[in-house]
Amino acid sequence: KQEVTQIPAALSVPEGENLVLNCSFTDSAIYNLQWFRQDPGKGLTSLLLIQSSQREQTSGRLNASLDKSSGRSTLYIAASQPGDSATYLCAVSPMNSGGYQKVTFGTGTKLQVIP
Amino acid sequence: NAGVTQTPKFQVLKTGQSMTLQCAQDMNHNSMYWYRQDPGMGLRLIYYSASEGTTDKGEVPNGYNVSRLNKREFSLRLESAAPSQTSVYFCASTVGRGAREGYTFGSGTRLTVV
Repeated sequence: KQEVTQIPAALSVPEGENLVLNCSFTDSAIYNLQWFRQDPGKGLTSLLLIQSSQREQTSGRLNASLDKSSGRSTLYIAASQPGDSATYLCAVSPMNSGGYQKVTFGTGTKLQVIP
Repeated sequence: NAGVTQTPKFQVLKTGQSMTLQCAQDMNHNSMYWYRQDPGMGLRLIYYSASEGTTDKGEVPNGYNVSRLNKREFSLRLESAAPSQTSVYFCASTVGRGAREGYTFGSGTRLTVV
């Protein structure tokens, strides 16, 4: 059974700092990995999607990397801003056929960027 | 704006009452999903619909029923609400089977059962 872990559960940084959020998964047979952002009282917004054949994806100040062999993904946020404050979740899709019913979500890292 | 719309946003039920959570997407997506989100447990899949006319159980289906009314709409029904069903419910959709292209989520329904 796939398990997805995000440590730390909460993180507080001063504005302007570069930071890394971690996502670990136990089964390396994945199809893709997604990073989401969730604002308080809101739904999930997809940030980046990395296919299993890719090593990283970039969008603006965000860069997500994937190392399947070690079961790890990182989300790098450059020059953090107060508006980046949110909970960040990762989700892993398995390699098996269809697979959507077994997408596993992490419990998230709650990020606070202090002005 | 295009996306996934959920109603209601908030609901308080008494134990034993029934209700239906509504979800509609206007992106012509084929697959739709219902998740619940509980503190410390992440998102768990309740039911999904791979395409219009089909529905399947997810990880935690007990106490729920679903209907894929048409390609746009996917509803979740609680027949006899229990306090254990207090949660935040999210509807999501994807273009095709699985999460190959990524999910689009609704803003959620916050349900409290007293």
